[in-house]
Amino acid sequence: RKEVEQDPGPFNVPEGATVAFNCTYSNSASQSFFWYRQDCRKEPKLLMSVYSSGNEDGRFTAQLNRASQYISLLIRDSKLSDSATYLCVVNMRNTGNQFYFGTGTSLTVIP
Amino acid sequence: EPEVTQTPSHQVTQMGQEVILRCVPISNHLYFYWYRQILGQKVEFLVSFYNNEISEKSEIFDDQFSVERPDGSNFTLKIRSTKLEDSAMYFCASSDRGGYSYNEQFFGPGTRLTVL
Repeated sequence: RKEVEQDPGPFNVPEGATVAFNCTYSNSASQSFFWYRQDCRKEPKLLMSVYSSGNEDGRFTAQLNRASQYISLLIRDSKLSDSATYLCVVNMRNTGNQFYFGTGTSLTVIP
Repeated sequence: EPEVTQTPSHQVTQMGQEVILRCVPISNHLYFYWYRQILGQKVEFLVSFYNNEISEKSEIFDDQFSVERPDGSNFTLKIRSTKLEDSAMYFCASSDRGGYSYNEQFFGPGTRLTVL
């Protein structure tokens, strides 16, 4: 059983498009949620934390639905620089500090 | 902006050899981690370290692996006798908070380990 599941994509969208990624997690004890982005052969970089009330950072909006164990990321007005793999990351209360990563969703923004 | 650094960026070794991967976490962080990513696969947790001891480890982190904080700045991962399947990117991460709060973890650029 996978702790965190994501649609691997790839998503190929034109510049300016809106794109949404979804993620589900298996453990209801999960308590902290994040979206990281990873460029090819680089380290994961924190994009945003995901809070229960939902949160927005510029063109990026993250939502959390604890009842459905579901996290989403919406990117508006896609830029070429948004091309990357987006990683859904969950931290579970009963396992302390470790992060559980999804396999990532690949996004390519096309000119 | 403070960042996690790792050396070397690429390590090539023969099967059975010992390797030590080095990391310098962000200076005011207290929690340290090692993850690995086999090419084309997801990032996997290996171990977390706090207050000079291991706080958690995964099934991957067997007796061949060890971690150490030899001084106030470095955090190392040692693989005693490398296997072919240890070939991966190894990421060090650090955070200023533990797992019972939003513990954003900041990752270093990684060390690519190739075992021949």
